[in-house]
Amino acid sequence: DIQMTQSPSTLSASVGDRVTITCRASQSINRWLAWYQQKPGKAPKLLIYKASSLESGVPSRFSGSGSGTEFTLTISSLQPDDFATYYCQQYDSYSTFGQGTKVEVK
Amino acid sequence: EVHLVESGGGLVNPGGSLRLSCAASGFTFSSYSMNWVRHAPGKGLEWVSSISSTSTYIYYADSVKGRFTISRDNAKNSLYLQMNSLRAEDTAVYYCVRDGKVPAASINYFDHWGQGTLVTVSS
Repeated sequence: DIQMTQSPSTLSASVGDRVTITCRASQSINRWLAWYQQKPGKAPKLLIYKASSLESGVPSRFSGSGSGTEFTLTISSLQPDDFATYYCQQYDSYSTFGQGTKVEVK
Repeated sequence: EVHLVESGGGLVNPGGSLRLSCAASGFTFSSYSMNWVRHAPGKGLEWVSSISSTSTYIYYADSVKGRFTISRDNAKNSLYLQMNSLRAEDTAVYYCVRDGKVPAASINYFDHWGQGTLVTVSS
């Protein structure tokens, strides 16, 4: 099974900050990686697929990069609506999610 | 607009059974693979099962293999999850999720999610 490890688990930031979340796969997953945003009591929302493709309607301040085993999600200028938990998902072999990164107010 | 509405959740005793349903609308259901993903309290997301558009390809997470059965009825635009031999660790919100790529023989990213239905396994 492919394991996905996100870091950090919690990130404290302020509005306007540049935020970077890392996701590492236990083996190469090429670029078969997606990122999701989830707010309490709500369903996850797709942000990025195939490592760097922005889902329609998602603000351009979100970007993804990486390939193989290391990936990053970057929020270029954190907005009040962005405080949430973020998950990566590999879909190279079946599917596995990372444990999540909570972005909280500093 | 894509709409996915789950139902069938509730409280069940350990060892019991439950059948979840998902009603889909706003897209051509028969063209898309569908999935179940769960979110246990205080934990991360966990993919549970996937079924291709014509039910040819079916996949399960190891944690539910042999206990859960995914199925679909394209004439009714509906997805199902039969859950047997339920355990406390199956307690979670279960989401009905659309695959983001069509056609698909393997699992992909998930582009539309339902609001979820809560399953609680407890005596």
